[in-house]
Amino acid sequence: SQQGEEDPQALSIQEGENATMNCSYKTSINNLQWYRQNSGRGLVHLILIRSNEREKHSGRLRVTLDTSKKSSSLLITASRAADTASYFCATDESGYSTLTFGKGTMLLVSP
Amino acid sequence: DAGVIQSPRHEVTEMGQEVTLRCKPISGHDYLFWYRQTMMRGLELLIYFNNNVPIDDSGMPEDRFSAKMPNASFSTLKIQPSEPRDSAVYFCASSFRGWNYGYTFGSGTRLTVV
Repeated sequence: SQQGEEDPQALSIQEGENATMNCSYKTSINNLQWYRQNSGRGLVHLILIRSNEREKHSGRLRVTLDTSKKSSSLLITASRAADTASYFCATDESGYSTLTFGKGTMLLVSP
Repeated sequence: DAGVIQSPRHEVTEMGQEVTLRCKPISGHDYLFWYRQTMMRGLELLIYFNNNVPIDDSGMPEDRFSAKMPNASFSTLKIQPSEPRDSAVYFCASSFRGWNYGYTFGSGTRLTVV
């Protein structure tokens, strides 16, 4: 069953703009992770935020987590054409060793 | 490390044939996961292993699917007999200590059953 659900399903922006993707989930979690998938490739781990953290940064990526609303957002600043990919959030359900992935947000960054 | 290695990258087979997908996880990782990705259902966990032992295979769709991990550096996912609805991209991923440090995915095997 899907734990995380991303929103929007697709996002189209120009280079240099910021991209924001959201993820909502249903049950309590220990951590939430974001992954990127380029077309025809495997998923690549971007960032992990733990349930006791509210914000985390990695380069041009900023992730927030609101456990009271069961939601997270991924912000990519100053986007580049190379950021074109699908982005997935993944959550663990407390007590399990596996991640459940959402269906992803497809981001298109035009030059 | 070369990352998680999957083979073959593409497989086209006829309905009823046996298909074997292979995976070499990252050395030192103690968890291995098999996922299937389709447009309709997204990423679905099929089975995962911890220290070569299958822990949860509840995601395996039918008895036609089986997976093994004979040692820490090799796993197979077998479909016998294959059906057109098995067409999907199959990913293997490995991790250290489960979900706590993120997964490393292979490039996937795109399976087409005709």
